[in-house]
Amino acid sequence: QKEVEQNSGPLSVPEGAIASLNCTYSDRVSQSFFWYRQYSGKSPELIMSIYSNGDKEDGRFTAQLNKASQYVSLLIRDSQPSDSATYLCAVNVNQAGTALIFGKGTTLSVSS
Amino acid sequence: EADIYQTPRYLVIGTGKKITLECSQTMGHDKMYWYQQDPGMELHLIHYSYGVNSTEKGDLSSESTVSRIRTEHFPLTLESARPSHTSQYLCASSESSFSSYNEQFFGPGTRLTVL
Repeated sequence: QKEVEQNSGPLSVPEGAIASLNCTYSDRVSQSFFWYRQYSGKSPELIMSIYSNGDKEDGRFTAQLNKASQYVSLLIRDSQPSDSATYLCAVNVNQAGTALIFGKGTTLSVSS
Repeated sequence: EADIYQTPRYLVIGTGKKITLECSQTMGHDKMYWYQQDPGMELHLIHYSYGVNSTEKGDLSSESTVSRIRTEHFPLTLESARPSHTSQYLCASSESSFSSYNEQFFGPGTRLTVL
């Protein structure tokens, strides 16, 4: 059974702090990794994708991938109350790109 | 970013009714997907399509069916709705390529309640 594991949280950080969200996956052949943000009652919104080991930065977001450790993380710098949401980690597990396995998500709460 | 539309956004119906959830995208994406998500739970893939006249079942067993007659349209049908079908249904699409790098973009979802 291919799995994606996330700490469900809630992760609470003060405004302006760095929020660190973590994800582990079980399938060693996974090639692509995604972070989605989902506000309560809304659909997932893609915020980051990463395919190679190392860091990828986009504005206040940094995704980090370590394939050897089967670990992917998302850092949110200068956290804002509007970042309060559930963050879903998704891992692609087939070459055709059709099989995304989602974690249950980590709920982030940013207090002002 | 893909423009994906789902209708209806909310649906409350009685047991035994036939329903169709609509999904359309305007980006010309070949690949389309249906996911099911219960509150506080992860998304599960129930159907996907590589293109016109292509449909496949996903990981989660579902009593629903799908069709793909046009590139932009991927409706999901339940022949006889039951309370166990109560859930949020999310449609997504991604560009065509035989790559695992496809980014999937989601529609707003349909929240279905079967009484």
